[in-house]
Amino acid sequence: DAKTTQPTSMDCAEGRAANLPCNHSTISGNEYVYWYRQIHSQGPQYIIHGLKNNETNEMASLIITEDRKSSTLILPHATLRDTAVYYCIVPTGTASKLTFGTGTRLQVTL
Amino acid sequence: NAGVTQTPKFQVLKTGQSMTLQCAQDMNHEYMSWYRQDPGMGLRLIHYSVGAGITDQGEVPNGYNVSRSTTEDFPLRLLSAAPSQTSVYFCASTFTGSTGNTIYFGEGSWLTVV
Repeated sequence: DAKTTQPTSMDCAEGRAANLPCNHSTISGNEYVYWYRQIHSQGPQYIIHGLKNNETNEMASLIITEDRKSSTLILPHATLRDTAVYYCIVPTGTASKLTFGTGTRLQVTL
Repeated sequence: NAGVTQTPKFQVLKTGQSMTLQCAQDMNHEYMSWYRQDPGMGLRLIHYSVGAGITDQGEVPNGYNVSRSTTEDFPLRLLSAAPSQTSVYFCASTFTGSTGNTIYFGEGSWLTVV
């Protein structure tokens, strides 16, 4: 998988937008960017993915820079239940094989 | 629609014992995989399958066997349990689409080897 770099941890006040950055400077032209999160000891949960256009779903928005070397996951109104470890992944080959780094631990506080 | 179902949720084994972690999915996905997660670490791929009858090794396959006789089931066998295999195990199933793939994970199986 293309190497990704994320901050180790971030804090966000409840109700505010959480912006989680990810660098993936070695990404290839046909590789997608995926975001997953893992809430304490649960199975990872798919959030969103994109290729080059910005994407939005009911959970989050994904902003990918024009050169595709970085992206930002946006949780528009963070809640306490969004406290989790967030993984940015750029898989190569089959997406059945994901390489999880250590991700960003997001702490949402009152 | 149950998604990905793993059993058992918790298991304690003695060193040298064998056991099978069960995984089933009801989404008719061809791709399935097993990951392990050690404390404070990310997930690591053990084995994966791209369809019934086809399996391959991931990053950390030693000490584990898999088989895929049906699309729905993908059991993981520990041949002779060792304390180093104490971990949380996640089974996953992949939806393959024209605009990317989505992986669905089970809730995990907590294994302790003493």
